[in-house]
Amino acid sequence: AQSVTQPDIHITVSEGASLELRCNYSYGATPYLFWYVQSPGQGLQLLLKYFSGDTLVQGIKGFEAEFKRSQSSFNLRKPSVHWSDAAEYFCAVGAENTDKLIFGTGTRLQVFP
Amino acid sequence: EPEVTQTPSHQVTQMGQEVILRCVPISNHLYFYWYRQILGQKVEFLVSFYNNEISEKSEIFDDQFSVERPDGSNFTLKIRSTKLEDSAMYFCASSVLANEQYFGPGTRLTVT
Repeated sequence: AQSVTQPDIHITVSEGASLELRCNYSYGATPYLFWYVQSPGQGLQLLLKYFSGDTLVQGIKGFEAEFKRSQSSFNLRKPSVHWSDAAEYFCAVGAENTDKLIFGTGTRLQVFP
Repeated sequence: EPEVTQTPSHQVTQMGQEVILRCVPISNHLYFYWYRQILGQKVEFLVSFYNNEISEKSEIFDDQFSVERPDGSNFTLKIRSTKLEDSAMYFCASSVLANEQYFGPGTRLTVT
């Protein structure tokens, strides 16, 4: 069955520190991978996506993610976190043969000044 | 930048009542979706809609639910007889191509 695991429920970092949010997926077909961010009271904003090609993808707000097929992972990174990055981050997987996205449980990021 | 909009932002209804949640997708998008997020749980797929018909639905999307695109701009989700467990945040999404989905801000549905 398809699934997405985000092992970290809550992460706290200091402003200016680097960030890595983990995502592992289980999917039989070639996955399409996404990261979304949800600020309090807001909808889900698409940060970046991977469909094929270069396994390192760049997104908005200075985020990047790397697809590693051998590890079934798609971790999100940012070299220097800003206080405005505090939000909930969701990894999601889709595929060619389905319309739906499967979401992980999310990681809540807290940023200290 | 074009975005998906949803109304109302918060809907309170009594158990057994019908509710209609409304969405205006991005104008050139062809695929439309509804998801829900029960408080503290994952975002779950409900249904996708393309070319004026349902293209995929989940087990959650039973006979109590229906979707409609009544005109060229709106996309609605109707729950016929709401239950307490329907309380959730409902997200509409749209896409040009299947999968690259852009989400609205959500409607919080509270069933009392």
